[in-house]
Amino acid sequence: DVKVTQSSRYLVKRTGEKVFLECVQDMDHENMFWYRQDPGLGLRLIYFSYDVKMKEKGDIPEGYSVSREKKERFSLILESASTNQTSMYLCASSFQGVDTGELFFGEGSRLTVL
Amino acid sequence: AQSVAQPEDQVNVAEGNPLTVKCTYSVSGNPYLFWYVQYPNRGLQFLLKYITGDNLVKGSYGFEAEFNKSQTSFHLKKPSALVSDSALYFCAVRDRGFQKLVFGTGTRLLVSP
Repeated sequence: DVKVTQSSRYLVKRTGEKVFLECVQDMDHENMFWYRQDPGLGLRLIYFSYDVKMKEKGDIPEGYSVSREKKERFSLILESASTNQTSMYLCASSFQGVDTGELFFGEGSRLTVL
Repeated sequence: AQSVAQPEDQVNVAEGNPLTVKCTYSVSGNPYLFWYVQYPNRGLQFLLKYITGDNLVKGSYGFEAEFNKSQTSFHLKKPSALVSDSALYFCAVRDRGFQKLVFGTGTRLLVSP
């Protein structure tokens, strides 16, 4: 069964802390994505990556960075967490060059910044 | 820029009745359209997609969607709702040649017994 695994389902952090959200996929997908989900705003793209060590900014990259050192792993980093980054974070992956293909999502990481 | 609109924050329907969740899109070319469902505290699950061909697309759990190019719509439908269909539904669009999906704001479906 195909799988996208996010390492933490629930996190509570303090303002100013550095936060790592990890995502691993076992489908050999080239593309990986980080979305943020907020009520009334839907899903907004933070960053995506189409290859190892490659990254592209999405619609709301401010305050975030990413790392993709291996094909199967895509990390989202909050260098200094703030309360407005309290949200649900969703990782997804897909095959490259198959723009008819759907995204596969992880279960999400709910982050609370106090 | 590509975008989708889900005009209803919430849809209420009685079990056994037909349901419709609305979606309209805007893209520069021919769209690829998707519907996803999210159950509480879970990730998104793929329901169905429109690529080309037949305007009526069938998907998982008895859902279907109708692509209407003239109205730029892609409404999700089910002939007979179940209480277990209660969830958050997202419409998404991808323009050809682009790898990323753009999502709507979501519609909460509540099916009452």
